[in-house]
Amino acid sequence: EDQVTQSPEALRLQEGESSSLNCSYTVSGLRGLFWYRQDPGKGPEFLFTLYSAGEEKEKERLKATLTKKESFLHITAPKPEDSATYLCAVQAGQAGTALIFGKGTTLSVSS
Amino acid sequence: NAGVTQTPKFQVLKTGQSMTLQCAQDMNHEYMSWYRQDPGMGLRLIHYSVGAGITDQGEVPNGYNVSRSTTEDFPLRLLSAAPSQTSVYFCASSREVNYGYTFGSGTRLTVV
Repeated sequence: EDQVTQSPEALRLQEGESSSLNCSYTVSGLRGLFWYRQDPGKGPEFLFTLYSAGEEKEKERLKATLTKKESFLHITAPKPEDSATYLCAVQAGQAGTALIFGKGTTLSVSS
Repeated sequence: NAGVTQTPKFQVLKTGQSMTLQCAQDMNHEYMSWYRQDPGMGLRLIHYSVGAGITDQGEVPNGYNVSRSTTEDFPLRLLSAAPSQTSVYFCASSREVNYGYTFGSGTRLTVV
């Protein structure tokens, strides 16, 4: 069964304190791994897609990496506006085009 | 460019009532999906479509119907609402098979 697990469930950081969020997955035939940001009361906002092990993508203070078993979302020198829930999802062969989501990591950054 | 538009934003139903959640996108995306989001459960796939006239079931399809008569619209029908269907519902669309999905702002449904 395809599965996505995110850790930690919640993370509290001070402004400027860098850290990483983890997304481990077990799927048959990975077609893509996606990172989303979700603010309270809103829909998920697309951040990155990673397709193969070794691939990396960056956007401002965020950097996503991918291995054969997991992905990391590195947050460098976070600011309070980075506070949100970060969702990881995979697209696998058996599930067709649909996404399988993890439960998310809620990040709080205080000044 | 409106993206993915969901209506209504909020809805309260009585047990046994039926209703349709509307979803429309103006990006000419072929791929569309419906998810529900519940506390502690994450986003779970209800139904998805790979193009007009083609739909398939996701992880939690029971109690829901979909149809895709046009590329733009993908409505979700609740046949006979139950309290277990109280949730936040998101519609999403994508232009390609393994491209990032664009999500709507959600419909918050309460069944009493």
